[in-house]
Amino acid sequence: NAGVTQTPKFQVLKTGQSMTLQCAQDMNHNSMYWYRQDPGMGLRLIYYSASEGTTDKGEVPNGYNVSRLNKREFSLRLESAAPSQTSVYFCASSYGTEAEQFFGPGTRLTVL
Amino acid sequence: SQQGEEDPQALSIQEGENATMNCSYKTSINNLQWYRQNSGRGLVHLILIRSNEREKHSGRLRVTLDTSKKSSSLLITASRAADTASYFCATDAENYGQNFVFGPGTRLSVLP
Repeated sequence: NAGVTQTPKFQVLKTGQSMTLQCAQDMNHNSMYWYRQDPGMGLRLIYYSASEGTTDKGEVPNGYNVSRLNKREFSLRLESAAPSQTSVYFCASSYGTEAEQFFGPGTRLTVL
Repeated sequence: SQQGEEDPQALSIQEGENATMNCSYKTSINNLQWYRQNSGRGLVHLILIRSNEREKHSGRLRVTLDTSKKSSSLLITASRAADTASYFCATDAENYGQNFVFGPGTRLSVLP
């Protein structure tokens, strides 16, 4: 089992460009999450999907959109990247929102 | 504002010593989790403790929970160089669909 996979691993964007971060899990988990991690800030929840077909905002959703494509895949889209979105992005999944989470390796995004 | 915060922010010990990290939180919780993050990697789940539990063990890890003080501690006994990592507590919160909120973490360095 691959667990949680994320693509790409690294990305550099110019201000105003768009991109989609991909996440997939093979553990048949119901819930999936997108976090960003900035130095000294811990992880902050951007969006989550408690189950297939649902998505909800987390703590810092502005500037992002998500799609729960199916039970396995949960993508994060930046429509118009800004330097403030420079961060490391982690996808995670779990059986339910109160269960332990399994994390992907992260995507390092730099917006110039 | 963050639900949980770890203390200390950084800790440096010698191999073989015990390491204790603390987490304080603000509002009532159902569950608290501890995670480890090695440099440049995703988070790995260590222990989940429920609000009706006071102590849990997993190998060299011991977690306590004091709901009256709204605090938890993570003890790593007989530390090894491989324990060098950042440690995060995550507490569930009524916001964001009862999802977990992560603290800023404690950076542990275990010196050989």
